[in-house]
Amino acid sequence: DIQMTQSPSSLSASVGDRVTITCQASQDISNYLNWYQQKPGKAPKLLIYDASNLETGVPSRFSGSGSGTDFTFTISSLQPEDIATYYCQQYDNLQVTFGQGTRLEIK
Amino acid sequence: QLQLQESGSGLVKPSQTLSLTCAVSGGSISSGGYSWSWIRQPPGKGLEWIGYIYHSGSTYYNPSLKSRVTISVDRSKNQFSLKLSSVTAADTAVYYCARPPGHWGQGTLVTVSS
Repeated sequence: DIQMTQSPSSLSASVGDRVTITCQASQDISNYLNWYQQKPGKAPKLLIYDASNLETGVPSRFSGSGSGTDFTFTISSLQPEDIATYYCQQYDNLQVTFGQGTRLEIK
Repeated sequence: QLQLQESGSGLVKPSQTLSLTCAVSGGSISSGGYSWSWIRQPPGKGLEWIGYIYHSGSTYYNPSLKSRVTISVDRSKNQFSLKLSSVTAADTAVYYCARPPGHWGQGTLVTVSS
C-alpha cells in the first residue's frame, strides 16, 4: 500500500501570508496526486490535479508542485475564505490514498 | 453538468449490511474512461477511500475493507451502489460517491447503532 504523509496537521497563518503544505508518498507515484479543500459539512473540492494543474475556476493563488515522492501545495496569499482542511490524494497503481489532512486557521 | 446524489439507509444495525446508491445525472455512467468511487469520512476524521468501479465493470477496493465491500453498477438506472457487510460502530461515517477527481456527491451520514 502507498502511504501519504501530509504535514503539518494544523496551521495558523495571517491573511496575506504564504502557506505551504507538503505530502510525501511512500513510493514513487509520478504526478498522480490531487489536492482538495474541504469546508465543514461539505464535500471535498478539487483544487489541483495531476500535482500541478489548477482546476477550472479555482483562484490562481492556489498552486501545486512536485513529482515522484515529494509534493507541495501553496496558497500564495491567504484569504479568509481559505479557512478549511486540505487533503492530498494519490491515485497510482489502481489504489487511492488520502493524506491525513491539514487544518488551516486564521491567526 | 454532472451531478451525483447518494441515497440509502441512514441507520444500520451492527453486523448488518450497509447499502447505498449513487444516482448520476447530467452524464452517462457508461461513458468510457471514468471510474466511479466511494469514499467515507468518520465524524471529525479524515477521508478514506473505499473503492471504485470502472465503466468496464472492473472493481478495485481498499485492502483494509476488501473482504466486506461490493461496488456494482446498474447501467439501466444510471447509478452505482455500495454494499458493506458486517458493519460495526467504526463504519459510522459520511459516505460520498464521486467521479474522480472533481465530481462528488454531497455525502450521506450512515450511523451504525442498535
